[in-house]
Amino acid sequence: NAGVTQTPKFQVLKTGQSMTLQCAQDMNHEYMSWYRQDPGMGLRLIHYSVGAGITDQGEVPNGYNVSRSTTEDFPLRLLSAAPSQTSVYFCASSIGRADTQYFGPGTRLTVL
Amino acid sequence: KNEVEQSPQNLTAQEGEFITINCSYSVGISALHWLQQHPGGGIVSLFMLSSGKKKHGRLIATINIQEKHSSLHITASHPRDSAVYICAVRGSNYQLIWGAGTKLIIKP
Repeated sequence: NAGVTQTPKFQVLKTGQSMTLQCAQDMNHEYMSWYRQDPGMGLRLIHYSVGAGITDQGEVPNGYNVSRSTTEDFPLRLLSAAPSQTSVYFCASSIGRADTQYFGPGTRLTVL
Repeated sequence: KNEVEQSPQNLTAQEGEFITINCSYSVGISALHWLQQHPGGGIVSLFMLSSGKKKHGRLIATINIQEKHSSLHITASHPRDSAVYICAVRGSNYQLIWGAGTKLIIKP
């Protein structure tokens, strides 16, 4: 099993550009989530999904969209990148929402 | 005041020392998680506990629900234990509330 994979590992964007961060898992997990990690702060939940076709907002959803068309994939879209979105983004999955989460390797995003 | 507080923020110790990292929280929880973030950035779950104590190798996690406090202990610490250790609590809405992490450096 590859576990949770994320692409790209690094990305530099200009303000106003859009992009999609990819996340996939091969463990048949129902629950998937996106976090951002900023220096000196705990992880913050952006969006999550409890199963295919179901998504919901987390703590900091503004400026991000998600969809969950399959159990395996949970892409995160930045609609119009802003410097405040410079961060490290982690995707995670778990069997259910109360279970141990498995994390992807992260995407380091810089918005100029 | 943050709902999850970790202490210390930074800890430097010599190889072989017994390490304790603390986590205090102010909300009702269904479970508490300890995770390790390697210097390369990857995050790995170490423990999920709702009562008592769990042990895995040289790592021990304890929780006191009444005092709203958990500790992560590392026995016979080694430089490869150098990492950021993160505490997170699961509230009543299933969402995780994250601590800011404790950065541990073990010197040989």
